[in-house]
Amino acid sequence: EVQLVESGGGFVQPGGSLKLSCAASGFTFSTYWMHWVRQVPGKGLVWVSHINRDGSGISYADSVKGRFTISRDNAKNMLYLQMNNLRVEDTALYYCAREGQIDFWGPGTLVTVSS
Amino acid sequence: DVVMTQFPLSLPVTLGQSASIYCRSSQSLVYSDGKSYLNWFHQRPGQSPRRLIYEASNRDSGVPDRFSGSGSGTDFTLKISRVEAEDVGVYYCMQGTHWPPWTFGQGTKVEI
Repeated sequence: EVQLVESGGGFVQPGGSLKLSCAASGFTFSTYWMHWVRQVPGKGLVWVSHINRDGSGISYADSVKGRFTISRDNAKNMLYLQMNNLRVEDTALYYCAREGQIDFWGPGTLVTVSS
Repeated sequence: DVVMTQFPLSLPVTLGQSASIYCRSSQSLVYSDGKSYLNWFHQRPGQSPRRLIYEASNRDSGVPDRFSGSGSGTDFTLKISRVEAEDVGVYYCMQGTHWPPWTFGQGTKVEI
């Protein structure tokens, strides 16, 4: 069974940092592109970042470029999102998602940025 | 960036009847391989999204055949035949042809 489980969300003040993790299981992680997508509760889906199979290809939404860093550890079947200099507008539920065309999503982890 | 526009944004439906959701892209989604990388997702309240349709018209495994996708170029449609109570929620289209970024429509809320 394919599973993606995010963790690392929480409450942080503006300017702070958080590192999200996504544990993958039930499929060959190293053969899939992966994404982070976020959603403000009650609002729409917004793509954040992608990473290709070996980490050599990475892209970011303009809103997070220079502040967020995506990475992966294929030996551990883990995806990460390091989020620095967080802003109030980064508050959202962050989903880990599989495959270029996004065929599977995790349940998400909530990030709240507030003073 | 490719802008995805969905309509309607709210869709009241009647059980057993059909319903259609439309998605328009600001530029053609036909890739060099001839495919349109347009996906449809369904998100029930309190749940993460689930993909229903990929490449505009291919149904994902386990998706009931009352869901169908059509279209190419810039205009796409998701049709739900014989709406059931479990079909309520928000439906999103997403393009994966011109990336980055991958872009989503605003979402269409379907309610009984």
